[in-house]
Amino acid sequence: EVQLVESGGGLVQPGGSLRLSCAASGFTFSSYEMNWVRQAPGKGLEWVSYISSSGSTIYYADSVKGRFTISRDNAKNSLYLQMNSLRAEDTAVYYCARDRSCDYWGQGTLVTVSS
Amino acid sequence: DIQMTQSPSSLSASVGDTVTITCRASLSISSYLNWYQQKPGKAPKLLIYAASSLQSGVPSRFSGSGSGTDFTLTISSLQPEDFATYYCQQSYSTPWTFGQGTKVEIK
Repeated sequence: EVQLVESGGGLVQPGGSLRLSCAASGFTFSSYEMNWVRQAPGKGLEWVSYISSSGSTIYYADSVKGRFTISRDNAKNSLYLQMNSLRAEDTAVYYCARDRSCDYWGQGTLVTVSS
Repeated sequence: DIQMTQSPSSLSASVGDTVTITCRASLSISSYLNWYQQKPGKAPKLLIYAASSLQSGVPSRFSGSGSGTDFTLTISSLQPEDFATYYCQQSYSTPWTFGQGTKVEIK
């Protein structure tokens, strides 16, 4: 069974940093592209970042470019999102999702940016 | 960026109805269009990929059609568990973009 489990969310002050993790199981992680997608409270879905299966190709939404860094460790079946210079508008549930079609999603982890 | 526009934003329907949601892309995305269902407090679930391919395990009452710029999600014989919010998403070019969502409510 495919499972994606996010962790690392929490309350952080504006300008602070957080590192999200996504632990994958039930499939060959190293063969799949991965994404981070977020959803602000009461709002729609917003794609955040993409990483290819090898990690050689990476894309970001303009809203996070220069502040967020996506990475993966295929030996540990894990995906990461390093979030720096956090802003109030980054407050959201962050999901990791498998493949370009986002065929499987984790349960999400809540990031709250507030003083 | 490619803009995805869904209509309607919300609709009310009864169990057994057929529901149609449309999604329009601001430029041609071939068939790189996915549909998701999201229930409150839950992660989205992929229903349709590549515009018309049914994801494994998804009931056959869900169907998708279209290519280029205009796409449709149809739910035949609406069931109680189908009341949710539906999103389209293009995976043709980054940034992948989502429609604003269509909330399907009980009439």
